[in-house]
Formats: sequence, C-alpha cells, structure tokens
Amino acid sequence: GNSVTQMEGPVTLSEEAFLTINCTYTATGYPSLFWYVQYPGEGLQLLLKATKADDKGSNKGFEATYRKETTSFHLEKGSVQVSDSAVYFCALNTNAGKSTFGDGTTLTVKP
Amino acid sequence: ETGVTQTPRHLVMGMTNKKSLKCEQHLGHNAMYWYKQSAKKPLELMFVYSLEERVENNSVPSRFSPECPNSSHLFLHLHTLQPEDSALYLCASSQDVRGPGHGNIQYFGAGTRLSVL
Repeated sequence: GNSVTQMEGPVTLSEEAFLTINCTYTATGYPSLFWYVQYPGEGLQLLLKATKADDKGSNKGFEATYRKETTSFHLEKGSVQVSDSAVYFCALNTNAGKSTFGDGTTLTVKP
Repeated sequence: ETGVTQTPRHLVMGMTNKKSLKCEQHLGHNAMYWYKQSAKKPLELMFVYSLEERVENNSVPSRFSPECPNSSHLFLHLHTLQPEDSALYLCASSQDVRGPGHGNIQYFGAGTRLSVL
C-alpha cells in the first residue's frame, strides 16, 4: 500500500534559521505530492503541491521538489519566522483516489 | 476561510448523549471526507463520500454514523461514545475523489474539538 514517512518532530529553530523537513513516500504509479500546514486551532491547509517528477512546488518562501529517483518531497525554507510555527503534513494522492498523510512534524520557531 | 465550515467548533458530551457534527462546503466539490485527529497519533481517515455515495469506510465503530444528504453537506452522528473518542474531527472536501490532473487538493474545515466525559 501507499505510505508517507516524514521527519519526526518536534523541530525547534531560531528565527531566520534554515528549515528542512524530510518526507519520503511509497506508492504505486505516479502520485501527486503535497505539503499541508496546520496552525494552532485550525484545520489543515494546502501549502504547496507538485503533480509530476521534477516539479517544484513553492509558496510563502517554502519549496519542495518532487524527486522520483529518491521518492522524496522534502520541505525547505531559507529563513523561518515565528509565524511559521505549526504542524506540517506531507501527503500523497494517487489516481485511484487514495490520499495518504504523514504523521505530521511540529515546528516551533523562537524569536 | 477555506470554504469548508464545521459546526460546532467545540463539543462536550457524556457517553450516553447523542449529538451530530455538521460540515458544509461552498466550493462546488463532489467529494467530502471525515478525519479524526488525536493527540500524538496520525491523521485517521474515517469516511469518504463521492457524489453523496459513501465510497470508503475505514473500519470505524458503528457509534459513528455519517450522513451525506447532498454534495454540500456532511454530518457525523455520534451516540454512546467512549472517552477515547475525544479528538479533533476534521471535515474536508475536494473536487473529486480521483483527480489526476489537479492533484485532488483537499480543503479542510477548522474542525470540531470533541470531548467525551
């Protein structure tokens, strides 16, 4: 079956530090890949996506590149802010309609 | 505002109560989902509806009963719950269940925080 494995948290960084949250996946076929973010007290919202190999998704300074050879979709940001503190979920969706989410990684950014 | 509204935002109920969670989407989507999010556990997919037909039921206890009267509304009826059912219940919608072109982005509501005493 499909699976998503993401870096265990929690991750604590100082403001302006570089962020990487690793995500690897297992899936049949050619899934679409997503990063969702959940701010405190809210539901998940889409952060960025990539629908085919070598695509780069980007939004709000965050980036992730769909790497089929390493089955990875690592999330990066060059300089984090306190407002980026949230839980980040890596997810995939296949043409068969199955959505699979990772366990989530909690990020705390300190001033 | 994601276009998916859940009510109530918070709910406290006893184990013998009956209550319902409501979800409404204003996005014209055809698919709707219920998820359970518990502390320190992965997001659990509970039910999936496509065009008002249930297409997935992930071994959820019968004390949770979903209802989808139309493509814009989704309910989760609760009865005789257990304390371990306390969690954040998230509703989501997407254009379709299967979405190869646009990647089937799911839009989530803010959730209902349920506490079972």
